[in-house]
Amino acid sequence: GIQVEQSPPDLILQEGANSTLRCNFSDSVNNLQWFHQNPWGQLINLFYIPSGTKQNGRLSATTVATERYSLLYISSSQTTDSGVYFCAVEYSGGSNYKLTFGKGTLLTVNP
Amino acid sequence: DTEVTQTPKHLVMGMTNKKSLKCEQHMGHRAMYWYKQKAKKPPELMFVYSYEKLSINESVPSRFSPECPNSSLLNLHLHALQPEDSALYLCASTQGVAYNEQFFGPGTRLTVL
Repeated sequence: GIQVEQSPPDLILQEGANSTLRCNFSDSVNNLQWFHQNPWGQLINLFYIPSGTKQNGRLSATTVATERYSLLYISSSQTTDSGVYFCAVEYSGGSNYKLTFGKGTLLTVNP
Repeated sequence: DTEVTQTPKHLVMGMTNKKSLKCEQHMGHRAMYWYKQKAKKPPELMFVYSYEKLSINESVPSRFSPECPNSSLLNLHLHALQPEDSALYLCASTQGVAYNEQFFGPGTRLTVL
C-alpha cells in the first residue's frame, strides 16, 4: 500500500509566527486532503488539493504530485490553529474510497 | 450545507449492552463511511457504503454491525464490545466513488466499561 509521512510530528509556535507542514507520499494519488482536528475531535476540511496551489485566508497549500509531496502553510498563527493537522491521500492503485492518513502534525500555538 | 451530523456525542456502555451510533448527511452524497480513531492516532477506516450497499469492510469484528437504511443515514450497531473498543467513532461522506472530498462528522466518543 501507499505510505504517507508527515513532518514535523510536533510543532510549537508563538502566536503570529508562520509555519510549513509537509506531507510526503510514496506513490501516485487521485486525491489529497488536508484536515485540522480540533481538541474536540472534529476533523475540519482545509483543502482538497490533488495538485496545484490553493489559498484560504491565512492558510495555503501546494501539492506537487510528480514529486509526491504536499505543503501546508500557516501564516500569522493564532491559538485557535492549535490541534492536529492530517494529510490523507487516495491511492491511485488501491480502493477508490479509501483515504490513507499520515500520522499527523501536532501544532501548539502559544499566546 | 456541508454538514455531517452524528449522535450521540458521548456514549458509555457496558460490555453486555447493545447500542447504536447514528450518522446523517443531507448533501446528496452517495458514499458514507465509518472510521475508528484511538487517541494520538489517525482515523482508521472500518466500513464504506456506496449507493446504500456495503462496499468495504476492513475486517472489522462482527460485534460492530453497520446499516445504511437510506442514502442519507448510516448506523453502527454495537454489541458485546470490549474495553479496547473505546475510541472516537467518526462518520464521513463523499459525493461519489473516487476523486471526491470527504466530509467528516463531529464524532461519537465511546467508552466501554
